[in-house]
Amino acid sequence: KAGVTQTPRYLIKTRGQQVTLSCSPISGHRSVSWYQQTPGQGLQFLFEYFSETQRNKGNFPGRFSGRQFSNSRSEMNVSTLELGDSALYLCASSLGDRVNEQYFGPGTRLTVT
Amino acid sequence: GQQVMQIPQYQHVQEGEDFTTYCNSSTTLSNIQWYKQRPGGHPVFLIQLVKSGEVKKQKRLTFQFGEAKKNSSLHITATQTTDVGTYFCQDTDKLIFGTGTRLQVFP
Repeated sequence: KAGVTQTPRYLIKTRGQQVTLSCSPISGHRSVSWYQQTPGQGLQFLFEYFSETQRNKGNFPGRFSGRQFSNSRSEMNVSTLELGDSALYLCASSLGDRVNEQYFGPGTRLTVT
Repeated sequence: GQQVMQIPQYQHVQEGEDFTTYCNSSTTLSNIQWYKQRPGGHPVFLIQLVKSGEVKKQKRLTFQFGEAKKNSSLHITATQTTDVGTYFCQDTDKLIFGTGTRLQVFP
């Protein structure tokens, strides 16, 4: 069974631009969560989607948004990029209607210059 | 808001020594999960604890959930170099991760 895939793996953007990251969960998994990881702030929860609905949201500004499609694939968008948005963005998928064991993708490394 | 703190932040041990990381939440947890992240890798699920006072073992790893469900611990007996990484706890309700404990094992 294929694991969680994220595209692109690396991205360099300029301040003020916007970016869209993509996550394909494990086949059959309906929950997708997004996390931001930085050396200073650790692993921070962004949002979680289940069956195309945002079920849980972390404490991030409105510049961070996401969505989930009917095939469970998910995207997250960051608008008006800031230098502090440079981070590893991880997505994780989980099987059922409660978040249990999460399987993480390799992440997208975003650098904002 | 809720905070999930882990101590210590870093731990360096000699191979064969034991290691423990503690996870403390400012609020009561429903369930807690533990993950391990190797350097350069992504978090990998270790275990989920559900019941108050629960203790689970996986080979050299022992996980405990506090009676009040506000804290948890992970203990590794006789560490090996393969145990190197950062260990995170996570509140499964709010999906908040703990601050993590980075373990370094010297051969």
